[in-house]
Amino acid sequence: LAKTTQPISMDSYEGQEVNITCSHNNIATNDYITWYQQFPSQGPRFIIQGYKTKVTNEVASLFIPADRKSSTLSLPRVSLSDTAVYYCLVGDLFSGGYNKLIFGAGTRLAVHP
Amino acid sequence: ETGVTQTPRHLVMGMTNKKSLKCEQHLGHNAMYWYKQSAKKPLELMFVYNFKEQTENNSVPSRFSPECPNSSHLFLHLHTLQPEDSALYLCASSQDLGVEQYFGPGTRLTVT
Repeated sequence: LAKTTQPISMDSYEGQEVNITCSHNNIATNDYITWYQQFPSQGPRFIIQGYKTKVTNEVASLFIPADRKSSTLSLPRVSLSDTAVYYCLVGDLFSGGYNKLIFGAGTRLAVHP
Repeated sequence: ETGVTQTPRHLVMGMTNKKSLKCEQHLGHNAMYWYKQSAKKPLELMFVYNFKEQTENNSVPSRFSPECPNSSHLFLHLHTLQPEDSALYLCASSQDLGVEQYFGPGTRLTVT
């Protein structure tokens, strides 16, 4: 079971790029890395998912080094509305690993004016 | 905006009451999930259904009873709850097990 470690909180300012790193030292060969965003009193929202190298979508980029023992979620030019909790999950999605998609404590990002 | 709806949004119940939470997804997904999120705690996966069949029960007390009559609807029946069961209960669905999950807005449950 791949455990993840993230910073508890981060602060940033509007317009800056924010990078949140997640450590998953015992990631397995078949595990994928998934990031979710959660606003207060709402359900989490899928942001991005990847296996290796770099993945980019309209919201964020995900950088995964060759050893896959960590990953970095990059949010370009954050705004106040990006203030939320960000979760990094690691799990084997295609072999019944859904039950191992454990949400940790997440990283609480606060964006300031 | 969300394709997953939950009712009610807020619920207050006594420890001797029986109530049910409802979740409906309009996304054509095959898998549905119940999560519990207590204050200042991570989300806890409770139940997983795939094609209406329960595939996961994460050691949830029997006072929580799920029901999945079809792939679009999921219920969580509650009875004789404890105050520590007060939490945000979230429903989610996904096309297949484990892939991108879409969450509902949750039901804020308070047990008095």
